Amino acid sequence: QVQLVESGGGVVQPGRSLRLSCAASGFPFSNYAMHWVRQAPGKGLDWVAFISYDGGNEYYADSVKGRFTISRDNSKNTLYLQMNSLKPDDTGVYSCASDPRYADSGYFRHWGQGTLVAVSS
Amino acid sequence: QPVLTQPPSVSAAPGQKVTISCSGNNSNVGRNHLSWYQRLPGTAPKLLIFDINKRPSEIPDRFSGSKSATSATLDITGLQTGDEADYYCAIWDTSLSAYVFGTGTKVTVL
Repeated sequence: QVQLVESGGGVVQPGRSLRLSCAASGFPFSNYAMHWVRQAPGKGLDWVAFISYDGGNEYYADSVKGRFTISRDNSKNTLYLQMNSLKPDDTGVYSCASDPRYADSGYFRHWGQGTLVAVSS
Repeated sequence: QPVLTQPPSVSAAPGQKVTISCSGNNSNVGRNHLSWYQRLPGTAPKLLIFDINKRPSEIPDRFSGSKSATSATLDITGLQTGDEADYYCAIWDTSLSAYVFGTGTKVTVL
């Protein structure tokens, strides 16, 4: 069965960095594109970043461009999100999601439960 | 200004039908890869519909999707108490080169 398990969240001060991980199992990870999606408290879903199945293409939401970097290690079935220069507006639950297609025709097939990131002084 | 607009809430009695709309423009909903997600309280989101009207095998046919021009619709028939959740539409926006989610709709079973 498909499992996506996020880790690495926590409380961090504004301007600091955090690295999230998403461990995948139960499906051919190297054949799937992957996304990070977040949800701030009391708000809706907010797409953060996309990476193609081979790591060759990345896309980011404008709100995180230049601060966040998505990457993957297909040998470890793991997705990452490096978050730098964190802001209070980055607070939320961060979830990874698998995508069987490329960006412009894709969808979020399976989701993890998420890991909480709280940016506060 | 949200890119994809949904009604904040809809409600109906058990067994009835609810319809959730998702309005956008030609750069997003006007395309053919819109998907719908259900988020039950405290759980991970679940894919309900992809490519406007296709269901994963595990999703019952009580859930169906359609589209007309730049507005899409999710119908839930035979409403059950277990359907109380937040529902979101999503699609790649070609002008933004980004995925966009709808504003979300809370479904209440009366």
